[in-house]
Amino acid sequence: GAGVSQSPSNKVTEKGKDVELRCDPISGHTALYWYRQSLGQGLEFLIYFQGNSAPDKSGLPSDRFSAERTGGSVSTLTIQRTQQEDSAVYLCASSLGVGGASDTQYFGPGTRLTVL
Amino acid sequence: AQSVTQLDSQVPVFEEAPVELRCNYSSSVSVYLFWYVQYPNQGLQLLLKYLSGSTLVESINGFEAEFNKSQTSFHLRKPSVHISDTAEYFCAADRGSTLGRLYFGRGTQLTVWP
Repeated sequence: GAGVSQSPSNKVTEKGKDVELRCDPISGHTALYWYRQSLGQGLEFLIYFQGNSAPDKSGLPSDRFSAERTGGSVSTLTIQRTQQEDSAVYLCASSLGVGGASDTQYFGPGTRLTVL
Repeated sequence: AQSVTQLDSQVPVFEEAPVELRCNYSSSVSVYLFWYVQYPNQGLQLLLKYLSGSTLVESINGFEAEFNKSQTSFHLRKPSVHISDTAEYFCAADRGSTLGRLYFGRGTQLTVWP
């Protein structure tokens, strides 16, 4: 079946603008995760959804970052008033959401965000 | 808090040489351990994972990793590398039966030279 998809693949924006990044998880996966990959910072966890609720949003770096998930499927990560330090590759992953040995995370190709 | 340490940020090797990418984790509870690979300009792909049982796990392309509880390590090895193995490799851990985030190491860039 189809893997995790993300759109857009690349986004260039001006400092101060808002951006929305979209993630479509693997069909049937109830858990969804957002990570950020930037030079010098490695892979940072941002937020995790189980269904439509977010039990762990501890990785969101500031209140400019928010995410939502509707219908237990598609998720949108929104960054308001973007800053140059927000430039990174934003990765989405999904898993079955049942916990335990079956719950491997599968990653999408990422959205490369560049803030000028 | 759980953390994962990859001791080498870059590992250059010649083709057909053996390689070991080191990973240590810290945890007071049982964990599941993973190695992900990221080829140039691509997303993360799962390479192999340790959940329980045999401490030696293998991937389909010749990599293997051994879980060592006493040393809290999960090093990745391959006896003979190919140029196509050039990629960044990430070690990760989660909290086992508890659903949640992955804890990633900083990554190791493996470069295989002809």
